[in-house]
Amino acid sequence: GAVVSQHPSWVICKSGTSVKIECRSLDFQATTMFWYRQFPKQSLMLMATSNEGSKATYEQGVEKDKFLINHASLTLSTLTVTSAHPEDSSFYICSAPRFLGAAYEQYFGPGTRLTVT
Amino acid sequence: GQSLEQPSEVTAVEGAIVQINCTYQTSGFYGLSWYQQHDGGAPTFLSYNALDGLEETGRFSSFLSRSDSYGYLLLQELQMKDSASYFCAVFHGSSNTGKLIFGQGTTLQVKP
Repeated sequence: GAVVSQHPSWVICKSGTSVKIECRSLDFQATTMFWYRQFPKQSLMLMATSNEGSKATYEQGVEKDKFLINHASLTLSTLTVTSAHPEDSSFYICSAPRFLGAAYEQYFGPGTRLTVT
Repeated sequence: GQSLEQPSEVTAVEGAIVQINCTYQTSGFYGLSWYQQHDGGAPTFLSYNALDGLEETGRFSSFLSRSDSYGYLLLQELQMKDSASYFCAVFHGSSNTGKLIFGQGTTLQVKP
């Protein structure tokens, strides 16, 4: 199947600093990518839709100035958590969608575990 | 808005059959997906149903009834490695601008 990578896989940062997470589709082009956030034992919460060459679309309640998304190419989207605080500690996962015939599938990256101290 | 309901936990023994139900309320429904996620890992795709009926892929099958806003994932011949969280997700919007909204997940524990 298709492969999506994320970097870094984990990061620890101090409160007030910014962290950038990269999401790459390795073997297909993705004009759209998605960013999710997941707390332990909870579901995946969609944060935003990343659109290549245009602004991201944020879900209700997600601060666009805090979670900066850039989708500069057909294979790369980045999420920057600005001025991180301990409550931003979470598992961040990106995905890239594909239609294969009539089936819709999202390929997920391995996730980035962010810990803010 | 959108909402999905699925059981929070299910326990079964190796070799058994388990059905995980999912009911949903959403506008712009396009299809129902199922994803598996092991602890600490990324979700992986299991199935997608856009039309009513049963789709079978190996030991896993997925069913959809659009008129009842209901679907289920059926796992047969359970193995220990099937212990994981299973999420139903509604694909809504349109084919070009759609997105997945996930349910809260069902934790499946398979016992020897």
